[in-house]
Amino acid sequence: SQTIHQWPATLVQPVGSPLSLECTVEGTSNPNLYWYRQAAGRGLQLLFYSIGIGQISSEVPQNLSASRPQDRQFILSSKKLLLSDSGFYLCAWSVTSGEQFFGPGTRLTVL
Amino acid sequence: DAKTTQPPSMDCAEGRAANLPCNHSTISGNEYVYWYRQIHSQGPQYIIHGLKNNETNEMASLIITEDRKSSTLILPHATLRDTAVYYCIVRGRSYNTDKLIFGTGTRLQVFP
Repeated sequence: SQTIHQWPATLVQPVGSPLSLECTVEGTSNPNLYWYRQAAGRGLQLLFYSIGIGQISSEVPQNLSASRPQDRQFILSSKKLLLSDSGFYLCAWSVTSGEQFFGPGTRLTVL
Repeated sequence: DAKTTQPPSMDCAEGRAANLPCNHSTISGNEYVYWYRQIHSQGPQYIIHGLKNNETNEMASLIITEDRKSSTLILPHATLRDTAVYYCIVRGRSYNTDKLIFGTGTRLQVFP
């Protein structure tokens, strides 16, 4: 069966510090991968998606970047965090059937 | 991608059916209606999807009107664990991806 992992579960970082969030998927090959962010009390916003290794599409301009160094690994990064980067970050995967499967999320607080 | 409109909140008594409406009047002929839910502090969970026919699975039923401009998600016997935010999404397609555009959803509160 397929599983998706995200870490860390929670993170508190100072403004201006770097960020690296990791997502890995097990039990499937060549999945589509997604990063979403949910600000407090808001809906989910799609940040990035990837259809293959090294192929990243950005949905909104922002202070973040994404990379996919391996087929089942998706990384979200920032060189300098802003206060507005705080939120709940969710990774998801799908195959062509259309259903997306979400990870447990990382709650990021930028102080 | 078609836009969806949902009521911000609903209440339902435990054991009763919860009927969650969604309007998607600009839906295109090849767009599916998807429903997800998000329990507090967790990632969204897929519930069901449909194109034009009504659908049922172990979690819920999806009723789509004949003109496809609206749909209703039915939880036949709501439990306290069904308290969550429910998202109705019309799925847009892009090259080999299935991008989901989440709105603000309906916050369903199931009470004892």
